[in-house]
Amino acid sequence: GAGVSQSPSNKVTEKGKDVELRCDPISGHTALYWYRQSLGQGLEFLIYFQGNSAPDKSGLPSDRFSAERTGGSVSTLTIQRTQQEDSAVYLCASSLNRALGETQYFGPGTRLLVL
Amino acid sequence: LAKTTQPISMDSYEGQEVNITCSHNNIATNDYITWYQQFPSQGPRFIIQGYKTKVTNEVASLFIPADRKSSTLSLPRVSLSDTAVYYCLVGPFTGGGNKLTFGTGTQLKVEL
Repeated sequence: GAGVSQSPSNKVTEKGKDVELRCDPISGHTALYWYRQSLGQGLEFLIYFQGNSAPDKSGLPSDRFSAERTGGSVSTLTIQRTQQEDSAVYLCASSLNRALGETQYFGPGTRLLVL
Repeated sequence: LAKTTQPISMDSYEGQEVNITCSHNNIATNDYITWYQQFPSQGPRFIIQGYKTKVTNEVASLFIPADRKSSTLSLPRVSLSDTAVYYCLVGPFTGGGNKLTFGTGTQLKVEL
């Protein structure tokens, strides 16, 4: 079956512009996560959706970052007024549910470069 | 949050066993330990998960001592294709996603 997909795979933007990153989780997975990975760094948790519950936004680095998940499936991560320090790979993952032992399945990531 | 610490890098040769240790001194009672593998330009991929003692699957073993303050991923007979970054993840399986803490990762390089 299809895995987690993300689009675009690469995005180059100018400082100050807004960008939208999309994640299509595995069908039937109720939990969805966004992470950020800066060059040579580990994964930084950003936001987490579980079913129809309010998202856990505790990892968002600033109010320029927001995310939504429509219909419990596709998710969009929006970065407003991008800054150069936003340049990173943005990874999305999904899991069947947020319960014991659930493996996260990651997408290939979106590489964002802010000039 | 359960902070994790891993070696930055390790080198090995084909056919050898590789052990990567992750320290998580303040692991909580309801935290599990999961290891992921990441190749360049790809998202991380699940390897193995455990709570305590030893877990083994077809690709790796995970050793967790009784105090659970560390864990060791063991890769038997590595090959060149095992060259990747390995992440230790500690976190509960209920509650907020912010309780998931990835380590900084260990770059494993396997040579002939």
